[in-house]
Amino acid sequence: GDSVTQMEGPVTLSEEAFLTINCTYTATGYPSLFWYVQYPGEGLQLLLKATKADDKGSNKGFEATYRKETTSFHLEKGSVQVSDSAVYFCALTGAAGNKLTFGGGTRVLVKP
Amino acid sequence: DAGVIQSPRHEVTEMGQEVTLRCKPISGHNSLFWYRQTMMRGLELLIYFNNNVPIDDSGMPEDRFSAKMPNASFSTLKIQPSEPRDSAVYFCASTLTGTDYGYTFGSGTRLTVV
Repeated sequence: GDSVTQMEGPVTLSEEAFLTINCTYTATGYPSLFWYVQYPGEGLQLLLKATKADDKGSNKGFEATYRKETTSFHLEKGSVQVSDSAVYFCALTGAAGNKLTFGGGTRVLVKP
Repeated sequence: DAGVIQSPRHEVTEMGQEVTLRCKPISGHNSLFWYRQTMMRGLELLIYFNNNVPIDDSGMPEDRFSAKMPNASFSTLKIQPSEPRDSAVYFCASTLTGTDYGYTFGSGTRLTVV
């Protein structure tokens, strides 16, 4: 079945540092890929998405490129802020349609 | 749009009691999902509905859990009887089938069973 693997956290960074969160997937066909963010005490929010190979999703300074050859969708941000402290989830919708499969989440803590 | 609305935000109940969690999806969305989140198990899909019909309930832990969607604007997740191991945050999410909008999540219900 479909699965998503992302790096375990926590990831601790200083403000203005570069952030990378690795995400790889296993799926049949051509999944759509997503990154969600969960701030403390809140639900998950869609951060960005990509629906086909080589697409780049971007939002709020975050970027991720759909790499079919490496089955990856790594999340990056060039200069993080304290407000980026959250848990980040990689996810996909596969052949089953609109059912999302989530990775385990990566907690990011940005220190001033 | 008010987003996906869940109630209550917090629920504390005694073991053995019945608990009902409620969800109002975004108007026009036709798929609804119930998730459970714990530190140990992460996010787990419990059940999802498409056009008010349950499609996949393989994630429902056991017969103590049941979910209904009587109409397009309302769903419930019921636990009877509740147990301490049911303590978790329960999220509801909705989307429109056939689009790549992704899910919109509610703010969750934090359930504590003592």
